Amino acid sequence: DQQVKQNSPSLSVQEGRISILNCDYTNSMFDYFLWYKKYPAEGPTFLISISSIKDKNEDGRFTVFLNKSAKHLSLHIVPSQPGDSAVYFCAASGVAGGTSYGKLTFGQGTILTVHP
Amino acid sequence: DTEVTQTPKHLVMGMTNKKSLKCEQHMGHRAMYWYKQKAKKPPELMFVYSYEKLSINESVPSRFSPECPNSSLLNLHLHALQPEDSALYLCASSQDPGAQETQYFGPGTRLLVL
Repeated sequence: DQQVKQNSPSLSVQEGRISILNCDYTNSMFDYFLWYKKYPAEGPTFLISISSIKDKNEDGRFTVFLNKSAKHLSLHIVPSQPGDSAVYFCAASGVAGGTSYGKLTFGQGTILTVHP
Repeated sequence: DTEVTQTPKHLVMGMTNKKSLKCEQHMGHRAMYWYKQKAKKPPELMFVYSYEKLSINESVPSRFSPECPNSSLLNLHLHALQPEDSALYLCASSQDPGAQETQYFGPGTRLLVL
């Protein structure tokens, strides 16, 4: 049962254009969402997060949008740069069984390639 | 500073060996985590330590034994592993335990079991 899904295994974008990565979730108890960037053989690097009480959060070139009714979030990168090429993971956490705990559930990841 | 360090970077061990993975953070974080990541898969949670006490064990086999000697250190003791345990082992920490906390990851230990 995949509770967090990233349906696009890969995305290719031209440098300077917008990259849009998408993520869907099924568990309505999730209330905190994060995006991580990962290079091969390295740990995930935290990019940006959003709480369920918000619908948008910005940090520099990165913006995350949350649509709770659709159980969908997206990460926008503007402008995209070749150094952004990596695997991007969406992750979610929330209350389960009446207890809040720090388990992150990850999506399968999307490979972003930004071409010069 | 959001640095989590892990040693060693790479580890090769036989199925009869005993080895340990180490993780350290000096951010004053009170929650620490072990994740396992297989190739082309997302990280999967193994253990959560909250205020130096084991709070979650995600049904991990007993050949993996976590230990939290103090608030800055987290170890993962390995014994009698199987080849299918070969993976990237990631440590993470967060300010506090709980759902609305950002977890910061270390670079991982790449483990190969022969």
